[in-house]
Amino acid sequence: RKEVEQDPGPFNVPEGATVAFNCTYSNSASQSFFWYRQDCRKEPKLLMSVYSSGNEDGRFTAQLNRASQYISLLIRDSKLSDSATYLCVVKVWANNLFFGTGTRLTVIP
Amino acid sequence: SQTIHQWPATLVQPVGSPLSLECTVEGTSNPNLYWYRQAAGRGLQLLFYSVGIGQISSEVPQNLSASRPQDRQFILSSKKLLLSDSGFYLCACLHSGNTIYFGEGSWLTVV
Repeated sequence: RKEVEQDPGPFNVPEGATVAFNCTYSNSASQSFFWYRQDCRKEPKLLMSVYSSGNEDGRFTAQLNRASQYISLLIRDSKLSDSATYLCVVKVWANNLFFGTGTRLTVIP
Repeated sequence: SQTIHQWPATLVQPVGSPLSLECTVEGTSNPNLYWYRQAAGRGLQLLFYSVGIGQISSEVPQNLSASRPQDRQFILSSKKLLLSDSGFYLCACLHSGNTIYFGEGSWLTVV
């Protein structure tokens, strides 16, 4: 079983739509969780950390469900510029980070 | 804030040729440094990590090697490239012990 699993998509949504991605992880000892955004042929960039109580940054909301071992990312009012691949990252301990394969999002005009 | 520089950005190399990718970090000291590879349509694969000068841990057996000659310098090398070495190579640094940041990446095509 993979450490981190994501639906690869693609998710094709119209502008203004709300879209949600989930990511499951297998190690219950996982400590930290993150969402990264990766544009085509570019490096991944940190989008937001995921906190136990859930957190919001503008149109983006991240949530953690430790009992079911998944994290989620919700994007409201999608913009064309949100088109990218979204990677979930799980840190088990200092040098043990696991990356999902990414979920590709395309926002359509 | 820290900055990660990585080069070259793009290279095309013949099979059997050597490789050297370099990564330097600014704005931090004694960072944990990483080399990842991302093959087309696949996730990030950790190749090497280093917690200090001369300290290298390898995650997968391969024909690549890494070195850390200075605190903020991390080098990925190969003596003889294989076709399967093609991919997007990313240097990364662990920030504040929790968040990982990436360099701009190096696209390697082995022909």
